[in-house]
Amino acid sequence: DIQMTQSPASLSASLEEIVTITCQASQNIGNWLAWYQQKPGKSPQLLIYGTTSLADGVPSRFSGSRSGTQYSLKISRLQVEDIGIYYCQQASSTPWTFGGGTKLELK
Amino acid sequence: EVQLVESGGGLVQPGRSLKLSCAASGFTFSNYGMAWVCQAPTKGLEWVASISTGGGNTYYRDSVKGRFTISRDNAKNTLYLQMDSLRSEDTATYYCARHIGVNWFAYWGQGTLVTVSS
Repeated sequence: DIQMTQSPASLSASLEEIVTITCQASQNIGNWLAWYQQKPGKSPQLLIYGTTSLADGVPSRFSGSRSGTQYSLKISRLQVEDIGIYYCQQASSTPWTFGGGTKLELK
Repeated sequence: EVQLVESGGGLVQPGRSLKLSCAASGFTFSNYGMAWVCQAPTKGLEWVASISTGGGNTYYRDSVKGRFTISRDNAKNTLYLQMDSLRSEDTATYYCARHIGVNWFAYWGQGTLVTVSS
């Protein structure tokens, strides 16, 4: 199975700050990488798929990038509604696997 | 508006069975692959199973192969997960999800909690 390692596990940031979360794949997955946001008590929501494509309705302050097998999610100006847990997911081969999550809190 | 509503969760003893349902609306159900994804209490996400548009192709994670069966009824716009030989480690909230492409989980239901305990 492909392992997805997210870092950091938790992050505290201030409003309007730039936030970056990373995800390391255990092998080459190309651009088969998605990011999800899960707000407290809610279901996950797709943010980005195909490494860089924004899902419908997702604010443009979210962006995704890749360097080799390391993937990054960037929030350009943190807002209150961005608080939650973020997960990466590889879609290169089954079983589709998720990272362990990054809990984003307000400082 | 896409809506996915799961039902059928509850408390069940180890070794017993449970069948989850997911009622879909707001889109043409037969045009999309569907999936189940679970989340153990305070844990991360884990893909369980997926099914193609017509139901002819199914995919499972190893830990549920031979115990769980994903199916769909396109006439009823409903997705199912038959869970047999349940184990304590199957305890989780089970989400129904609609794929985009084959591999992304674009829309999620609110989840239904399955607790396996004696």
